[in-house]
Amino acid sequence: GDSVTQMEGPVTLSEEAFLTINCTYTATGYPSLFWYVQYPGEGLQLLLKATKADDKGSNKGFEATYRKETTSFHLEKGSVQVSDSAVYFCALRGNFGNEKLTFGTGTRLTIIP
Amino acid sequence: GAGVSQSPRYKVAKRGQDVALRCDPISGHVSLFWYQQALGQGPEFLTYFQNEAQLDKSGLPSDRFFAERPEGSVSTLKIQRTQQEDSAVYLCASSWDENTEAFFGQGTRLTVV
Repeated sequence: GDSVTQMEGPVTLSEEAFLTINCTYTATGYPSLFWYVQYPGEGLQLLLKATKADDKGSNKGFEATYRKETTSFHLEKGSVQVSDSAVYFCALRGNFGNEKLTFGTGTRLTIIP
Repeated sequence: GAGVSQSPRYKVAKRGQDVALRCDPISGHVSLFWYQQALGQGPEFLTYFQNEAQLDKSGLPSDRFFAERPEGSVSTLKIQRTQQEDSAVYLCASSWDENTEAFFGQGTRLTVV
C-alpha cells in the first residue's frame, strides 16, 4: 500500500537558518503530494502541494518539488523564523479514486531566536 | 462557522464506555473524512463519506467503530466499549469534493482510562 517516510524530529534551528525536512513516498501510479503544518493549539493546515512530477509547490517561503525519479518531496525554506515552529506532515493522495490522505509521522520544528 | 468544527474538544471515558464524537463540516462540502492520530504519529485514515454515502470504511480498526452522516452534513463517529488503545486525537476533514483541499478540524482528544 501507499506509505510516506518522513525525517524524524525533533529539529531545532536558529532563526534565519536553512531548513530541509526530508520526505519520500511509496505509491502506485501518480499520487498528489502535500505538506501540512500544525501550529500549537491549531488544526492541520495545508502548506503546499504538487500534483504531478516536477511540479514545485510553494507558500510562505516554503518550497517542495515533486521528484518522481527519487520518489521524494523534501520541504525547504531558506530562512526560518520563530513563527515557523510547528509540526510538519508530509502526505500523499493516491489516484485511481483513492481519496484518502496517507501521512508521514510528522517532524516537530523549533526555531530559537 | 467558517471552519470544520468538532465536539467535544476533549473526552475522558472509562474503559468499556461508549462515546460519540461530532463533526460539523464546512457548509456545502461534499466529502468528509475521519482520521485517528495517536500520540507522536501522523493521522491515519478511518473512513470517508461522499454526502451521506460511506464510500470507504477500510480504516476502521474494529467493529466497535461506527460512523454515520445521515443527511450529508454533520457526521458522528461512535466508538463502542472503548479500550485504552482507542486513546488518540480524532480528526475530521471536509472538502468540496475528493480532489480539492481538505480542511481539518482541531480534533477531539479521547483519553480512555
